[in-house]
Amino acid sequence: EAGVVQSPRYKIIEKKQPVAFWCNPISGHNTLYWYRQNLGQGPELLIRYENEEAVDDSQLPKDRFSAERLKGVDSTLKIQPAELGDSAVYLCASSTGGFQETQYFGPGTRLLVL
Amino acid sequence: AQKVTQAQTEISVVEKEDVTLDCVYETRDTTYYLFWYKQPPSGELVFLIRRNSFDEQNEISGRYSWNFQKSTSSFNFTITASQVVDSAVYFCALSEGSYNTDKLIFGTGTRLQVFP
Repeated sequence: EAGVVQSPRYKIIEKKQPVAFWCNPISGHNTLYWYRQNLGQGPELLIRYENEEAVDDSQLPKDRFSAERLKGVDSTLKIQPAELGDSAVYLCASSTGGFQETQYFGPGTRLLVL
Repeated sequence: AQKVTQAQTEISVVEKEDVTLDCVYETRDTTYYLFWYKQPPSGELVFLIRRNSFDEQNEISGRYSWNFQKSTSSFNFTITASQVVDSAVYFCALSEGSYNTDKLIFGTGTRLQVFP
């Protein structure tokens, strides 16, 4: 069974440029999560989707970040415009939903903003 | 408030040594789950174990074992006879049952280096 797929793996951009990350969850997983991991820290949740609905976006900086999961399968996370402080690893995870279920993570996208 | 503390920032051992990674958590929930993940240099978080708050039995899987003690709010991870391939950052995480949060609260991780 295929795991969580993310692309690109690496991205280098200049500040004020836009950037987008894509995630395809494990087949059958209706819940999708985007986390951000700063250097030397654990991941922190940005947004959680149940099917196509964003049910928890309280930690998403909405002035510059946006996300979508139009058909309830794959998802895109966008930053516009990027700032230096956005340099981090962006991780996507999926599960069958619920706090008791295991979240499975993709390889992440490592973003460097210059 | 919920919190996970991994006080050991980095541990170095020589191959075949046993090593224990500490994890202490804080929660007001009575129903919660604890997890351990491994993050090798490639960056992907690899799931290792899940334990619910009502099951305090220790678990062993090959060279890995976990000790869950509610009395001290700890969920420690031991690798027996460590190998170079165990070198990675290990994260402990908490998932609470209240408030429909369904998110993992991670510690800051412990970097384990196993030298040949």
